[in-house]
Amino acid sequence: QVHLVESGGGLVKPGGSLRLSCAASGFSFSDYYMTWIRQAPGKGLEWVSYISSSSTYTNYADSVKGRFTISRDNAQNSLYLQVNSLRAEDTAVYYCARQTGDNYFDSWGQGTLVTVSS
Amino acid sequence: DIQMTQSPSSLSTSVGDRVTITCRASQSIASYLNWYQQKPGKAPKLLIYAASSLQSGVPSRFSGSGSGTDFTLTISSLQPEDIATYYCQQSYSTPWTFGQGSKVEI
Repeated sequence: QVHLVESGGGLVKPGGSLRLSCAASGFSFSDYYMTWIRQAPGKGLEWVSYISSSSTYTNYADSVKGRFTISRDNAQNSLYLQVNSLRAEDTAVYYCARQTGDNYFDSWGQGTLVTVSS
Repeated sequence: DIQMTQSPSSLSTSVGDRVTITCRASQSIASYLNWYQQKPGKAPKLLIYAASSLQSGVPSRFSGSGSGTDFTLTISSLQPEDIATYYCQQSYSTPWTFGQGSKVEI
């Protein structure tokens, strides 16, 4: 049974940084692309970034390019998102999800809330 | 970027009703269209992938159709547990984009 658990969210001031983590279990983590998706309060879903199974490829939404960095540790079955230079508009629940070969998201974590406010 | 537009944004229904939600892409995406269900306070859940394939464990009252730019999610007989917001997502090209959501209420 696939299980994804995010952590690392919290309240941070504009310009601050956080490192979000996603612990994976129940599947062969190193075989899958992984992705981060966020949802601002009361809003829709926004894809943020993905990373390939062996970290060879990464891709980012324009809204976070240059500020966010996705990474993974296959030995630890963990996915990360380093979020820097945070802005108020980055306030959202951040979900990690397993990305299939056809680029849909078949398992999601419960999310971690990032609040950017002074 | 490919824009995804859903309609309606919200709909009020009754148990047992047939519910149809549409999703339109700003350019052709073949069958690279997926549907998710999100209940309040919960993570989204995959319902349909590749326009018409039912994800394992999803009730057969859910179905999807379409190709190119126009797609439909149908709930054949609405159940109380189907009250949720539904999102379409294109997986044709990055950035992966979602529709704005369709909220189904009773």
